[in-house]
This record gives sequence, structure tokens and C-alpha cells, in this order.
Amino acid sequence: KAGVTQTPRYLIKTRGQQVTLSCSPISGHRSVSWYQQTPGQGLQFLFEYFSETQRNKGNFPGRFSGRQFSNSRSEMNVSTLELGDSALYLCASSRDRVGYGYTFGSGTRLTVV
Amino acid sequence: AQSVTQPDIHITVSEGASLELRCNYSYGATPYLFWYVQSPGQGLQLLLKYFSGDTLVQGIKGFEAEFKRSQSSFNLRKPSVHWSDAAEYFCAVVPENYGQNFVFGPGTRLSVLP
Repeated sequence: KAGVTQTPRYLIKTRGQQVTLSCSPISGHRSVSWYQQTPGQGLQFLFEYFSETQRNKGNFPGRFSGRQFSNSRSEMNVSTLELGDSALYLCASSRDRVGYGYTFGSGTRLTVV
Repeated sequence: AQSVTQPDIHITVSEGASLELRCNYSYGATPYLFWYVQSPGQGLQLLLKYFSGDTLVQGIKGFEAEFKRSQSSFNLRKPSVHWSDAAEYFCAVVPENYGQNFVFGPGTRLSVLP
């Protein structure tokens, strides 16, 4: 079966711009989580969506937002980009609870210049 | 402070040698415990997980991990390392009553010598 698909794989943006990243979960998975990975801070939780509702949120500024559609696909948006937003953004999906295990996508590499 | 620690930033082993990667957590109750592996430029692949029951857990690629409640540890082991095991390894926990998100350790980079 198809895995978690993240698009685009690579992105270069300028400071002050906004960006939208997309994540298509595994078929049947209703929970989608987003993580930011940087060399300095490691892997940090952004937010989790389940059935179109944000179920949990990490400690990131309001510039980071997300949503989930009725087909479970999710997008995350970052507005007013800063250099420090350069990171690998990983999406993960699960059927429901964490007990089922999360499957991660290959990520979107965002570079802010 | 509540956290997940992986004391070894970088480990180098020879191919065929045994491996143990350490993970400790500091949460009051026993969380759900996971090990993930990440190859360069890739996402995270689940190696194994522990929720309850037998404290020795078998995973994919010949890996196993042992949960020790008294030490708040969940160390990953492999009896014989292959060159393809070179990657970054992350321990992750989902603390009780913490929602559905992972708290990741900083990772251990494994290099394998031929």
C-alpha cells in the first residue's frame, strides 16, 4: 500500500513569504501529525489532527498553522517565514491512537533565504 | 524537567559487532516507548515499540529493545551490525496523558566500519 506522501520534497522561500506543505496519509489513517526537525532543536511536535479537528498542539508560534480535510489529507502553513524556519518538516499518520504506530513520510525540506 | 535522553551522540562499530544504543526518559508513569531509524534524506522508520507486557521487544531488521522500569530505560540492541544499519536512531516516548504526540530524544548517529 502507498505510504505517507509529502509534497513538495524541497522548497526554497524568502524571508517574509508564506508556505504551504501537503501531506497525504496512508489510506484509512485518520490521524495526521506534523513534526519539525532541525540540527539544533531535533524533532519537535507541531500539531496533530484527527477527523478534521486539531487534537493536540505543540509549542510553536501562531505563524504555524494546519488543517485537515475530510479525506484526511493535511496541510500546514507557515506565514511570515524566518530564517530559523528552515527545517525538515515531517508528517506522520496513524489509524487512530498512537498505539497503532505512526508511519512517517520522507518530509519536505524547507530552506528560507 | 521531563525529557528523553540518548547519551551517545555518535557511535562507531565494526560490521559484525554487537550494538547497544541507550535511551532514558524522565516521566512519572511508564510511557509508550518507541525506536525509530532515519537514513539520510529520509523520514523515520519504526523499528519497534513497547506498551506493556513482556519487557523484551523484538523489532524489524534484527533489532530488539529491553524496557527496564527501575532504570527508566529502553535500550536498543542488535547482536551483529550490518553496514546498512548506519543511520540515525531516535528513541521516542508518548507520555501518559500527553496526547498523541511523540517526545523524541536527540538521536544517536551510528557509523559502521567495514
